[in-house]
Amino acid sequence: AAGVIQSPRHLIKEKRETATLKCYPIPRHDTVYWYQQGPGQDPQFLISFYEKMQSDKGSIPDRFSAQQFSDYHSELNMSSLELGDSALYFCASRGQGRAGELFFGEGSRLTVL
Amino acid sequence: AQSVAQPEDQVNVAEGNPLTVKCTYSVSGNPYLFWYVQYPNRGLQFLLKYITGDNLVKGSYGFEAEFNKSQTSFHLKKPSALVSDSALSFCAVRQYNAGNNRKLIWGLGTSLAVNP
Repeated sequence: AAGVIQSPRHLIKEKRETATLKCYPIPRHDTVYWYQQGPGQDPQFLISFYEKMQSDKGSIPDRFSAQQFSDYHSELNMSSLELGDSALYFCASRGQGRAGELFFGEGSRLTVL
Repeated sequence: AQSVAQPEDQVNVAEGNPLTVKCTYSVSGNPYLFWYVQYPNRGLQFLLKYITGDNLVKGSYGFEAEFNKSQTSFHLKKPSALVSDSALSFCAVRQYNAGNNRKLIWGLGTSLAVNP
């Protein structure tokens, strides 16, 4: 079965550079979530989209932005990168209905040097 | 305030023994409860969920969890642990409401270590 696809899997950037992470949800899933997970930490919710509109906002820094496109894929844009942005970034998608569980991608590991 | 508590940083069990990972929650209204596991450098994998119905929920890899409304708990269990069960386990809750708030509230995670 198709899963959530994230790219790139690994990314190394310098401070103050920009980075873009991509997420391709499971087909027919209408909701996408972005999470940030630091080493040994629980996932921190960043932002979510439902039917291409932002549905909820968490602890996403102002330097970050995201959107969901007409094909339901989503991109997380990160600018003016800081050392503290180094983390695993997960995308998850959820199908229709209230009680659906989230399906997570394998994550994109961002390292800021 | 809504919250999820996993009181144990780590749970150690010997292979073949039963395991329990504790989770309690605080949420207004009816909760949707989830357990996920995470292997090193991997994404979170869904194990099981409680929405309604039987308090004992069976999930993937032989795991199960028991919903206890009076104790607001949703402990993860497995009758006989395997070394391959070693992972980081997360409990999560989502508040049922009619709005668009679909955000999960996560526990801090419990490292599950099964020793040979």
